[in-house]
Amino acid sequence: GAVVSQHPSRVICKSGTSVKIECRSLDFQATTMFWYRQFPKQSLMLMATSNEGSKATYEQGVEKDKFLINHASLTLSTLTVTSAHPEDSSFYICSAPEGGGSGANVLTFGAGSRLTVL
Amino acid sequence: QKEVEQNSGPLSVPEGAIASLNCTYSDRVSQSFFWYRQYSGKSPELIMSIYSNGDKEDGRFTAQLNKASQYVSLLIRDSQPSDSATYLCAGISGNTPLVFGKGTRLSVIA
Repeated sequence: GAVVSQHPSRVICKSGTSVKIECRSLDFQATTMFWYRQFPKQSLMLMATSNEGSKATYEQGVEKDKFLINHASLTLSTLTVTSAHPEDSSFYICSAPEGGGSGANVLTFGAGSRLTVL
Repeated sequence: QKEVEQNSGPLSVPEGAIASLNCTYSDRVSQSFFWYRQYSGKSPELIMSIYSNGDKEDGRFTAQLNKASQYVSLLIRDSQPSDSATYLCAGISGNTPLVFGKGTRLSVIA
């Protein structure tokens, strides 16, 4: 089946620094990837939709200048948390449709990246 | 009403029993639904998808969809301690990809 690789799995950083998280589709091409965030005991909340070759689409309330998304190729999307603060500490999970396209259908999730900002 | 609602639990069942997990959804969510299982500290993994009214069975899992009542459920037969996890109900809303409920924490007691 489809595999999505996400890296790093854990990152600890100081307040004010930037952190980059990578998401790769290993055996399929994904024109669209989705970035979710999950706080403890909360559900997954969609942050943004990453579109290959064009700008990401951000959900309401998500600062696009703080959470930079780049989808430079058909297999790689990156999320950069800029000037991280302790309230950005969360579990960030990327996903891609198994068909690789923009249809929502079944999503394959990466393993997630736990960010802790000190 | 939130788009997808679940009782957060915890739901505790003895080993071997049937665990019943329930989810309701609003008019804004379309007719495609998914159940994901999420272990603590891990990302979700797909258990079942259901698109049509009625039951869909896969091994020990049965998903049930009732469009008239806007209700979708997941039954786990012969529950095992390894089934202890948070179960997330998800649906599709408009052009947005999956919208998740808060999840129900299931604990299977050996």
